[in-house]
Amino acid sequence: GNSVTQMEGPVTLSEEAFLTINCTYTATGYPSLFWYVQYPGEGLQLLLKATKADDKGSNKGFEATYRKETTSFHLEKGSVQVSDSAVYFCALSESGGSYIPTFGRGTSLIVHP
Amino acid sequence: DAGVIQSPRHEVTEMGQEVTLRCKPISGHDYLFWYRQTMMRGLELLIYFNNNVPIDDSGMPEDRFSAKMPNASFSTLKIQPSEPRDSAVYFCASSPVISGNTIYFGEGSWLTVV
Repeated sequence: GNSVTQMEGPVTLSEEAFLTINCTYTATGYPSLFWYVQYPGEGLQLLLKATKADDKGSNKGFEATYRKETTSFHLEKGSVQVSDSAVYFCALSESGGSYIPTFGRGTSLIVHP
Repeated sequence: DAGVIQSPRHEVTEMGQEVTLRCKPISGHDYLFWYRQTMMRGLELLIYFNNNVPIDDSGMPEDRFSAKMPNASFSTLKIQPSEPRDSAVYFCASSPVISGNTIYFGEGSWLTVV
């Protein structure tokens, strides 16, 4: 079956630090990969996505590259802000079938001024 | 364009009472999902519908939970009777197709059972 594994949090950083949140996946086919973000008191919202190998998704300064050879989709940002404090979820969704999306456990990010 | 709309946003109820959570998905989306989020278990898929038909309810914790989707623009999740361990955030989400597509979440219903 499909699965997504994320690094456990919380990740605590100072403002302007470099961020990496690791995500690896197991899938039977060729999935699309996603990062969702959940700000305090809100629902999850799409941050970025990549649909095939070597694609890079990017949004709001965040980036993630679909690495088929290492089955990874690590989230990175060069300089975090306090406003980036949130929970980040890695997810996958298979194409070409009726597969429901699979979410990781989420990684909490806390950014201090 | 309105997103997924959930109500109530917050509910505090006494143990044993019936709780009904409501959801209006994004118009034109064929799939509707109900998730539960807790600190202990993270994000759990409870049930999902395709074109108003329940497809997989294997995540529903027990018979106290039930979900319906009488039409394309409305769904309910009911807990009867409620218990303190049901306290959680319940999210409704919708998607136009299931494969390889973005899921759009509502803001959640924060349930506290005392």
